[in-house]
Amino acid sequence: RKEVEQDPGPFNVPEGATVAFNCTYSNSASQSFFWYRQDCRKEPKLLMSVYSSGNEDGRFTAQLNRASQYISLLIRDSKLSDSATYLCVVNVYRTDKLIFGTGTRLQVFP
Amino acid sequence: EPEVTQTPSHQVTQMGQEVILRCVPISNHLYFYWYRQILGQKVEFLVSFYNNEISEKSEIFDDQFSVERPDGSNFTLKIRSTKLEDSAMYFCASNGRMNTEAFFGQGTRLTVV
Repeated sequence: RKEVEQDPGPFNVPEGATVAFNCTYSNSASQSFFWYRQDCRKEPKLLMSVYSSGNEDGRFTAQLNRASQYISLLIRDSKLSDSATYLCVVNVYRTDKLIFGTGTRLQVFP
Repeated sequence: EPEVTQTPSHQVTQMGQEVILRCVPISNHLYFYWYRQILGQKVEFLVSFYNNEISEKSEIFDDQFSVERPDGSNFTLKIRSTKLEDSAMYFCASNGRMNTEAFFGQGTRLTVV
């Protein structure tokens, strides 16, 4: 089983749509969770950290379900500029490294 | 806004040659990392560095790889004898505390021919 698993997509949605991405992780000792955004041939950029209580940042909402080992990202009112690959990233307790999913590609069209 | 900077942005090298990729992490950060991303694949952890020593490394980070922090600002990745399969985007990252989000540089695209 992959350490961090994501649907690769692509998700093609019109401007203004709401879109949700899911991610599962295999290691129950995972303790920190993030969503990063990556544009084509660019570096990963932090979108938001994911907290147990869930968190929201403008149009973006992240949820964590530790029992099911599942993380989600909801994007409301999609913009053309949201087109990118969204990376689910996990850190395991007592390790330094971040473990990346393969990413979910989002394409927002006019 | 402070950022991680990497040089060069693109490096082309012949198979068997040594390359050094350079990074300047965010100045007050203590943890430094190298990751790589082969085209079309996921980002993979190579090595982490803290307190002037390697704290963790992956299976990819074999004897051909080494890291160094030669002064108070630079953090380098050396590949001793490059192979074709080393062609990838190499990202440097840093963070201020363990288990927190890491900030990535813009990457060095390494092409081995």
